[in-house]
Amino acid sequence: SQQGEEDPQALSIQEGENATMNCSYKTSINNLQWYRQNSGRGLVHLILIRSNEREKHSGRLRVTLDTSKKSSSLLITASRAADTASYFCATRQGAQKLVFGQGTRLTINP
Amino acid sequence: GAVVSQHPSWVICKSGTSVKIECRSLDFQATTMFWYRQFPKQSLMLMATSNEGSKATYEQGVEKDKFLINHASLTLSTLTVTSAHPEDSSFYICSARGGWDSPLHFGNGTRLTVT
Repeated sequence: SQQGEEDPQALSIQEGENATMNCSYKTSINNLQWYRQNSGRGLVHLILIRSNEREKHSGRLRVTLDTSKKSSSLLITASRAADTASYFCATRQGAQKLVFGQGTRLTINP
Repeated sequence: GAVVSQHPSWVICKSGTSVKIECRSLDFQATTMFWYRQFPKQSLMLMATSNEGSKATYEQGVEKDKFLINHASLTLSTLTVTSAHPEDSSFYICSARGGWDSPLHFGNGTRLTVT
């Protein structure tokens, strides 16, 4: 079953603009993770934010977590053409498995 | 960084044949590996969780006799699609994790086409 719901499903912006993607989930979590997938490839881990953290930065990425609203956002600043990809949030269900949201397809237009 | 190698990257087979996909963790020991299936423009659907030395745990709706998973060592898990049919055509992705709270490291996926 899919735990996360992502919004928007697709996003197209101009290079240099900021991109914001949102993720909502249903159950309690220990952490929430964001991954990127280039077309036809595997996923790459971007950032992990723990349930006791509210915000985390990594380079041009900023992730926020609001456990009261069961939501997270991923902000990519100063977007580049190479950021074009699908972005997924993921949360852990049970002891082991990681369940992914539906993803946001991000297109950066040069 | 941690590297997961998945092989083959693509395969075309005839209906009724079996296909084996390998997933290797190259520079770390993966106590747990996961197999996902992904349809075009959709999210990853977890098929099964594989722990080294024990039977895989399959998700509801996934036929364990059709999708055979073997995790014989801490660095290798295999998925065999038995008696493949065109509806099994999909993108299969493996991932591995070193520790319980570690992020997943993904292979580059296998594009399976059954004719």
